[in-house]
Amino acid sequence: GAVVSQHPSRVICKSGTSVKIECRSLDFQATTMFWYRQFPKQSLMLMATSNEGSKATYEQGVEKDKFLINHASLTLSTLTVTSAHPEDSSFYICSATYRDSEQYFGPGTRLTVT
Amino acid sequence: KNQVEQSPQSLIILEGKNCTLQCNYTVSPFSNLRWYKQDTGRGPVSLTIMTFSENTKSNGRYTATLDADTKQSSLHITASQLSDSASYICVVSARWEGKSTFGDGTTLTVKP
Repeated sequence: GAVVSQHPSRVICKSGTSVKIECRSLDFQATTMFWYRQFPKQSLMLMATSNEGSKATYEQGVEKDKFLINHASLTLSTLTVTSAHPEDSSFYICSATYRDSEQYFGPGTRLTVT
Repeated sequence: KNQVEQSPQSLIILEGKNCTLQCNYTVSPFSNLRWYKQDTGRGPVSLTIMTFSENTKSNGRYTATLDADTKQSSLHITASQLSDSASYICVVSARWEGKSTFGDGTTLTVKP
C-alpha cells in the first residue's frame, strides 16, 4: 500500500517557539492532505484540509494563524505550530489521498510543549 | 448532519476468542466505508475499504460486512491475538465531499 511519512516522530519544544511538522507521500502524488490532532484516548479531530497549490481549509475552531499549513507540492505538506503553548501538546497525524482513493495515514508526530 | 457511531466503546476479550465491532452511520450520499486499526501512539492503518456494492470483505482474520440499506457495518475479528489490542475506527466518506466522518473508535483489549 501507499506510504505516508511524518517528520519528526517526536518533538519537544519550549513554550513560545514554533514547530514545523512535515508530511510526505512517498510513492504517490497526493492531491489532498489532511491534518488531524488526537488527544489521549480520544478520536482523531480534523484540523484542516489542504490541496496542492491552494490555501488550506480549516475546521471551525482551529486558528489558521496559529496552525500554518503549506501544501507546496503533490508529495509534501507542512504544519507549523506557531507560538506553541502547553495546551498544544498532542499527537498530530496527517493523511493523504489521491483523488477519491483511500486515505493513507502517516505514523503521527508527538508534540510536547514545556 | 453526517454521523458515525461505533459500539461498544471498549471491549475486553480473551486471546483466541472472536469478537464483532459495530458501526452505524448516517452519511449520505454514501461513497465508501473504511475500517482502520490504530495502535497506541501510531497512525491508523487501513484494514478494509468497502463501497456501496460490497457486502463483505476480508483481510486475514478481519472480516468487514456492510449493509447499505440499514447503514450498518461490522468488523469481525477471528481467533484474536494479543497484537489485536488497539483502537478500531470506522470512517465513512460521502460522495463528492473531500473529507470523511470518523467514528470515536472501539478500544479492544485482548488478554492472555
